[in-house]
Amino acid sequence: DVQLTQSPSTLSASVGERVTITCRASQSINRWLAWYQQKPGKAPTLLISEASSLESGVPSRFSGSGSGTEFTLTISSLQPDDFATYYCQQYNSYSPYNFGQGTKVEIK
Amino acid sequence: QVHLVQSGAVVKKPGASVNVSCTASGYTFTSYYMHWVRQAPGQGLEWMGMINPGGGFTNVAQKLQGRVTMTRDTSTSTVYLELSSLTSEDTAVYFCARAVIMRSGFDIWGQGTLVTVSS
Repeated sequence: DVQLTQSPSTLSASVGERVTITCRASQSINRWLAWYQQKPGKAPTLLISEASSLESGVPSRFSGSGSGTEFTLTISSLQPDDFATYYCQQYNSYSPYNFGQGTKVEIK
Repeated sequence: QVHLVQSGAVVKKPGASVNVSCTASGYTFTSYYMHWVRQAPGQGLEWMGMINPGGGFTNVAQKLQGRVTMTRDTSTSTVYLELSSLTSEDTAVYFCARAVIMRSGFDIWGQGTLVTVSS
């Protein structure tokens, strides 16, 4: 199974800061990686697919990059609505569609 | 508008089975895969398995094989998740989520169903 490791687990940042979250895969997954945002008590929402393709309606301050085993999610200027937990997910191998353990973005 | 609406919260005793439903609307039900993901309290996301509503093909996570059954009813655009031999470790919110193809992210999610296993 492909294992995904996110870092950091928790991130404290201020509004307006640039934020970067890393997701490392235990083996190459090409560009088959998605990023999700989840707020407390809500279902996750898809932000980015295929490592860097922004979903419709997602603000342009979100961006994704990477391929192979190392990926990043960047928020160029953190907004109050962005405080949430972020998960990466691989879909290179069909079973299991593993998720990373999550990164919680908190207010500094 | 595309929606996935799940059944309501349930409480089950250890050893019992639970059935969670997910009803789709606003798109062609048989043209998209449906996945099940669960989240234990305070924990991360765990992929459970997927079903192809068109042909009924399923793929279940290895650790849950033997306990999970996924089915669909095309006449009502509904997928079902049955989880048997429940233990307290199965207490979680269960989500259904849609995917365009096997190799894609999950673009639409249900609202979640809380399953509590308690004696």
